[in-house]
Amino acid sequence: DTGVSQNPRHKITKRGQNVTFRCDPISEHNRLYWYRQTLGQGPEFLTYFQNEAQLEKSRLLSDRFSAERPKGSFSTLEIQRTEQGDSAMYLCASSSGRGYEQYFGPGTRLTVT
Amino acid sequence: AQSVSQHNHHVILSEAASLELGCNYSYGGTVNLFWYVQYPGQHLQLLLKYFSGDPLVKGIKGFEAEFIKSKFSFNLRKPSVQWSDTAEYFCAVNSRGFQKLVFGTGTRLLVSP
Repeated sequence: DTGVSQNPRHKITKRGQNVTFRCDPISEHNRLYWYRQTLGQGPEFLTYFQNEAQLEKSRLLSDRFSAERPKGSFSTLEIQRTEQGDSAMYLCASSSGRGYEQYFGPGTRLTVT
Repeated sequence: AQSVSQHNHHVILSEAASLELGCNYSYGGTVNLFWYVQYPGQHLQLLLKYFSGDPLVKGIKGFEAEFIKSKFSFNLRKPSVQWSDTAEYFCAVNSRGFQKLVFGTGTRLLVSP
């Protein structure tokens, strides 16, 4: 069973650096989501793709954040000029067009020092 | 805006005790409701979901949840917990026709053997 995979699993970076995360969804899923989770909180929605189109973005997604899904398969989330407040777990999820349930990956834990 | 409240942040039970975790949401329209579980060191997994029909839904591992529309609630229950149920439980909701999931802050359950 190939579930949602995310790379890297951990990333430590210095404030001001750029980072990029990758998500590979379940192969037949055309919908892909990014969430962010901080300690003691539930995941918070960032953005959503249907195929290659980015259809919804949260206000949490500042202009330093950009997400792409160029061929409708894997997706990348880039954070430019990282800040300490960006430290969090970044989760990716995918779903098929038929159902509403989202399947989550293991996440990428970002630490900004 | 939608919100989800989970009233119990930490719950400690002995094995074989009964479990009920509260979840209330604020949204007046039609919703889909979910419970996700995160076992230690693992990623979020879907426990059960409600889209329509019978308000009492059964999930994996003996869990069930009841949707009470008049109370905007979707409480999770299990008649007899096991040590392996130690995990964090998240309630989530999305509006029918929309993709964004809104999560509660989670409940940490510790089951002592």
